[in-house]
Amino acid sequence: AQSVTQLDSQVPVFEEAPVELRCNYSSSVSVYLFWYVQYPNQGLQLLLKYLSGSTLVKGINGFEAEFNKSQTSFHLRKPSVHISDTAEYFCAVSGGYNKLIFGAGTRLAVHP
Amino acid sequence: NAGVMQNPRHLVRRRGQEARLRCSPMKGHSHVYWYRQLPEEGLKFMVYLQKENIIDESGMPKERFSAEFPKEGPSILRIQQVVRGDSAAYFCASLRGGNTGELFFGEGSRLTVL
Repeated sequence: AQSVTQLDSQVPVFEEAPVELRCNYSSSVSVYLFWYVQYPNQGLQLLLKYLSGSTLVKGINGFEAEFNKSQTSFHLRKPSVHISDTAEYFCAVSGGYNKLIFGAGTRLAVHP
Repeated sequence: NAGVMQNPRHLVRRRGQEARLRCSPMKGHSHVYWYRQLPEEGLKFMVYLQKENIIDESGMPKERFSAEFPKEGPSILRIQQVVRGDSAAYFCASLRGGNTGELFFGEGSRLTVL
């Protein structure tokens, strides 16, 4: 069965600093991996996804993630964060029937 | 905006009442997924439906919860005899079809049980 572990529940960072949000997954089959962002009282928006091909995936808002099969990781990175990046970030792996299995989320707090 | 539409956005019920949450998928999408998000937690899969069929309900509580996606009209998640533990945000997502597609999420329905 697939599962996702997000290693940090909260990540505080100063504006314009780099950030990495960590995600490890467990799956016995080929994996499709996703990062979603949730702003307060809103739904989830897709940041990026890995289906196949290049292990470095670029997404919206300057985010990127790297698929590492040997470490079963899919960490999300941004070289310079903005106040507007403050949100909850969810890593997910695709299970059967395209349903997504989510991690518990990482709250990114960007401070001025 | 032809995104996934959920209503009501906020719903307050007293213990023992029924809650009905509606979801209209994006135009052209025939697959609907329901998720529940408890406070301070991630999203948990509940049920996956196609038109008139429940495909996967492995995440649905065995009692009081039901879901449908009729041939016409929105998908409905129904919770009977609500309890305080049902207080959560319920999200609907839709998919056009095919494999490894992107799920598009609605803004959620927030249920509060008094």
